[in-house]
Amino acid sequence: GAVVSQHPSRVICKSGTSVKIECRSLDFQATTMFWYRQFPKQSLMLMATSNEGSKATYEQGVEKDKFLINHASLTLSTLTVTSAHPEDSSFYICSASRREQPQHFGDGTRLSIL
Amino acid sequence: KQEVTQIPAALSVPEGENLVLNCSFTDSAIYNLQWFRQDPGKGLTSLLLIQSSQREQTSGRLNASLDKSSGRSTLYIAASQPGDSATYLCAVSHRSNDYKLSFGAGTTVTVRA
Repeated sequence: GAVVSQHPSRVICKSGTSVKIECRSLDFQATTMFWYRQFPKQSLMLMATSNEGSKATYEQGVEKDKFLINHASLTLSTLTVTSAHPEDSSFYICSASRREQPQHFGDGTRLSIL
Repeated sequence: KQEVTQIPAALSVPEGENLVLNCSFTDSAIYNLQWFRQDPGKGLTSLLLIQSSQREQTSGRLNASLDKSSGRSTLYIAASQPGDSATYLCAVSHRSNDYKLSFGAGTTVTVRA
């Protein structure tokens, strides 16, 4: 099946640091990538949708200047959490899909801001 | 706005017992429904996908049914094993919403040896 690689799996850093998370589709070209955030014992909340070569579409309430998304190629999207603070600590998961096909998910990144 | 509810939130059963997990959604005009498994600290593994025109899907010990008109899906896991312990999430998509997934909060299953 389709493989999506997410890196790093875990990040611990100081408040004020910017953190970049990568999402790669390893064996297919992903026209769309999605970024989710998950709090403990809660559902996945969609943050933004990115299409290759165009600007990301952010969900209501998600700060686009805080969570920068780049989808420069059909196999790579990045999420940068700028000037991260403790309240940004969470589990971030990406997924990739090709047109109307099902999404394939990465293994997630645990972000801890001290 | 689509709301997806999963009941129960947690379930503990002895090994060998059958599992029944429920998912309900408010907007029945779905494109498809998926059941996922999530292990602690990990991403999602797709278990079953049911298109809106289908009533059920089966894979091994797993069977998922879909009643679109009543906004419900049920995931059955037969003869549970300790390795089935995980959180199970259901999600629905809509063509009108660019096929974005709306997730339930999940049911955390513990199968006791």
